[in-house]
Amino acid sequence: DTAVSQTPKYLVTQMGNDKSIKCEQNLGHDTMYWYKQDSKKFLKIMFSYNNKELIINETVPNRFSPKSPDKAHLNLHINSLELGDSAVYFCASSLLVSGANVLTFGAGSRLTVL
Amino acid sequence: DQQVKQNSPSLSVQEGRISILNCDYTNSMFDYFLWYKKYPAEGPTFLISISSIKDKNEDGRFTVFLNKSAKHLSLHIVPSQPGDSAVYFCAASAAYGGSNYKLTFGKGTLLTVNP
Repeated sequence: DTAVSQTPKYLVTQMGNDKSIKCEQNLGHDTMYWYKQDSKKFLKIMFSYNNKELIINETVPNRFSPKSPDKAHLNLHINSLELGDSAVYFCASSLLVSGANVLTFGAGSRLTVL
Repeated sequence: DQQVKQNSPSLSVQEGRISILNCDYTNSMFDYFLWYKKYPAEGPTFLISISSIKDKNEDGRFTVFLNKSAKHLSLHIVPSQPGDSAVYFCAASAAYGGSNYKLTFGKGTLLTVNP
């Protein structure tokens, strides 16, 4: 019974294509995120949505478009894929635990752009 | 601009001994610090947190120490077990536009516990 699930787990595609990654959480959390882990291993926040409303957009190219149809889903669509988009993309949702913003992550989606 | 730094990419310890993972930060506005553990092909999982007003938090074998004046925190695992072998991420939380929060991660430290 996966808490945060994302699909697909692996994605290999050609430069210039458009692709989507889907994310769903069954934890009842109000806030969801997309993080990118690149080859240098940094986990960098891309977007955050709270109850379907965009609240964080970290200077990500506008080829990346998140969509949140409801608070349990946050999908990521990427247009005109570039080599530098190759990375692992993690979806997460969060809950405040004793004041700390604790994120629960999905297993990641590894995107390889050829 | 790395606001959260983990300067040791890897650490190797013997089973039963103490593992100490270090983290430094630069932003004084961080109000919570968290440690996450990550196994290969899985997402990071929450381990332990500490408020900026505390200097120590303990949960079983895991203890996090915070030295606010030095902007430094550390995670102690004792005794270390082979199953603790994973990448450990330090993360810091700051408020972002009202009641929203943003988590900034370090680069991670790969801990290997040898039997």
